[in-house]
Amino acid sequence: DGGITQSPKYLFRKEGQNVTLSCEQNLNHDAMYWYRQDPGQGLRLIYYSQIVNDFQKGDIAEGYSVSREKKESFPLTVTSAQKNPTAFYLCASSGGTINTGELFFGEGSRLTVL
Amino acid sequence: GQNIDQPTEMTATEGAIVQINCTYQTSGFNGLFWYQQHAGEAPTFLSYNVLDGLEEKGRFSSFLSRSKGYSYLLLKELQMKDSASYLCAVVDSNYQLIWGAGTKLIIKP
Repeated sequence: DGGITQSPKYLFRKEGQNVTLSCEQNLNHDAMYWYRQDPGQGLRLIYYSQIVNDFQKGDIAEGYSVSREKKESFPLTVTSAQKNPTAFYLCASSGGTINTGELFFGEGSRLTVL
Repeated sequence: GQNIDQPTEMTATEGAIVQINCTYQTSGFNGLFWYQQHAGEAPTFLSYNVLDGLEEKGRFSSFLSRSKGYSYLLLKELQMKDSASYLCAVVDSNYQLIWGAGTKLIIKP
C-alpha cells in the first residue's frame, strides 16, 4: 500500500548529539514537509521541499537540516544547535505544488532529549 | 499577524451532534482544511473548503464563510472513536499553510 513511513517511532538523545529522522514515501508526491508538534500549539513548519535537490526553510528551521537527494526520501537531522528538541515530529507529502492538496502524514517520531 | 482560533476542548455525548468552530485572520485565502488527529497518531484529512457553503461527507460536514473568516466542522451521530483533536488549517495568499492549535473533542457515553 502507498504511504509515508517514518522511523524511528521513539528516539532518545543525549544533549549535544545529532539525530536523524527518516521519512520515505511511495506516493510519487513531489512535495514533502517536516513539521514539529508541541502540546497546545499548532503544527509548525521546519522545512519543505518541492522537488529533488531543492528545499526551503520553514518558520522554525534553526537547529535543523534536511536533504532531498531522492524523490522518495526527505530525512531530517536535529542538530545539537536546536535548543529545545523534545517534540513530536511529523513528515508529510502532497501531490501538486506546495499546499495545494491534502497532506498525507507519516505516523510521527517522538524525540526525547535526556 | 496571521491567526487561527479554535476552542481548546469540547465535550459531547455519544450519539449527539457537535459543531467545532474555526475563525481565521490571514493574509489572503486559498482554502481551508480540517484534519482529525487521534492522540499520539498522525493527522488524517477530513475536508477541504475553498468556496462558501456546506460540504457534506457522511457523518462529517464542513462549512465556510470567507466574508466572515469562519468555518465549522459538524459531526453527527457521535461515536466514541470520534474522540480526537480536530485541526483547522488555512492556506494564505502565499500558499503557506497556517495551523490552528486544534480542538480536543471528548465523547462521553
